[in-house]
Amino acid sequence: DAGVTQSPTHLIKTRGQQVTLRCSPKSGHDTVSWYQQALGQGPQFIFQYYEEEERQRGNFPDRFSGHQFPNYSSELNVNALLLGDSALYLCASSQTGTSEQYFGPGTRLTVT
Amino acid sequence: EDQVTQSPEALRLQEGESSSLNCSYTVSGLRGLFWYRQDPGKGPEFLFTLYSAGEEKEKERLKATLTKKESFLHITAPKPEDSATYLCAVQARGTSYGKLTFGQGTILTVHP
Repeated sequence: DAGVTQSPTHLIKTRGQQVTLRCSPKSGHDTVSWYQQALGQGPQFIFQYYEEEERQRGNFPDRFSGHQFPNYSSELNVNALLLGDSALYLCASSQTGTSEQYFGPGTRLTVT
Repeated sequence: EDQVTQSPEALRLQEGESSSLNCSYTVSGLRGLFWYRQDPGKGPEFLFTLYSAGEEKEKERLKATLTKKESFLHITAPKPEDSATYLCAVQARGTSYGKLTFGQGTILTVHP
């Protein structure tokens, strides 16, 4: 049973650029959440997608946007990158009606 | 606003030396409290979910307990492979969409 997968593993971007990160949920899961984890901190909730719509959002600016596809996979887009966007971006999947979220390995984004 | 505080920030143990990690939380009605293990550069690995005060869960050398204000992760006779960052997170009742609020984690190092 494949777990949550994310791509790419690592990414280096320049300030002002745009980036797209991808996530495939665990088999049988229909909900995808995205988190940002700065070095030495716990993950912070960005937003959650279900039925191809954003249904909950954390305290992140509109530069952060996402999408969910009919096969439940998801993308996280960040525009106008800032140095402070450098972090580990984590995708977590879950099944509607259950509490547990299962995380992928993350994408390490470095903004220079 | 939901808050999670973990202590200590870092814990060094000798192999076989049992100890406990603490997670204090403030939430507007607890739906669930979650423990995760995270290895460096990897995504969090799900360990336990606790739903109500008095509940306990065990897995190998780990045992998680829950009160109305805090949770403890007890580690019995730890081994070097237990070295990792342990994260605690809460999910509020009424938040049917599942946002997790994390603490900053406890870095556990077990020396042989």
